Amino acid sequence: EPEVTQTPSHQVTQMGQEVILRCVPISNHLYFYWYRQILGQKVEFLVSFYNNEISEKSEIFDDQFSVERPDGSNFTLKIRSTKLEDSAMYFCASSYRDSHGYTFGSGTRLTVV
Amino acid sequence: RKEVEQDPGPFNVPEGATVAFNCTYSNSASQSFFWYRQDCRKEPKLLMSVYSSGNEDGRFTAQLNRASQYISLLIRDSKLSDSATYLCVVNPNAGNMLTFGGGTRLMVKP
Repeated sequence: EPEVTQTPSHQVTQMGQEVILRCVPISNHLYFYWYRQILGQKVEFLVSFYNNEISEKSEIFDDQFSVERPDGSNFTLKIRSTKLEDSAMYFCASSYRDSHGYTFGSGTRLTVV
Repeated sequence: RKEVEQDPGPFNVPEGATVAFNCTYSNSASQSFFWYRQDCRKEPKLLMSVYSSGNEDGRFTAQLNRASQYISLLIRDSKLSDSATYLCVVNPNAGNMLTFGGGTRLMVKP
């Protein structure tokens, strides 16, 4: 079964540092997403990406965040200057057509110290 | 009012029991509805979509009441492997973003 692959599985970074979280979506999917889940809290939408541009973003996705699809396979989330409150599990997801066909990756646990 | 609201539980049930979870959503224009399952420290996985006519997948039955903005999930003949957090998820607009509830934790005991 096709899967969404995320690397690394765990990243520890110092406050103020930049981090890049990487994802390889399912190859024939057209929509790509990032969500985050702070420990003990609900899953929250960050951003969706389609046709090489952001299609939707939440209030969480401020100027510290950016996304990129640098080649035909990778989809990245960059946090420019990490804060303690950015510590969370970050899930990448992709879908072929609409909200019915989501597949989530296994997540990257980001710890900001 | 929270966008998607669920009783956090936990629901502790014996094997073989029937258990029901409920969820309410605030946006009456919501387009699509889902139940996801999340195991501890794992990614959400789609359990089933929820349709207005109600739908069943094996031991799982989902219902949607658009007038009351209410979604339910019924699990029959609970198995130990059903122990997880069940997430009520709504697509609130014409885009593809998903809004998650906080989840209901189920623990099935032998």
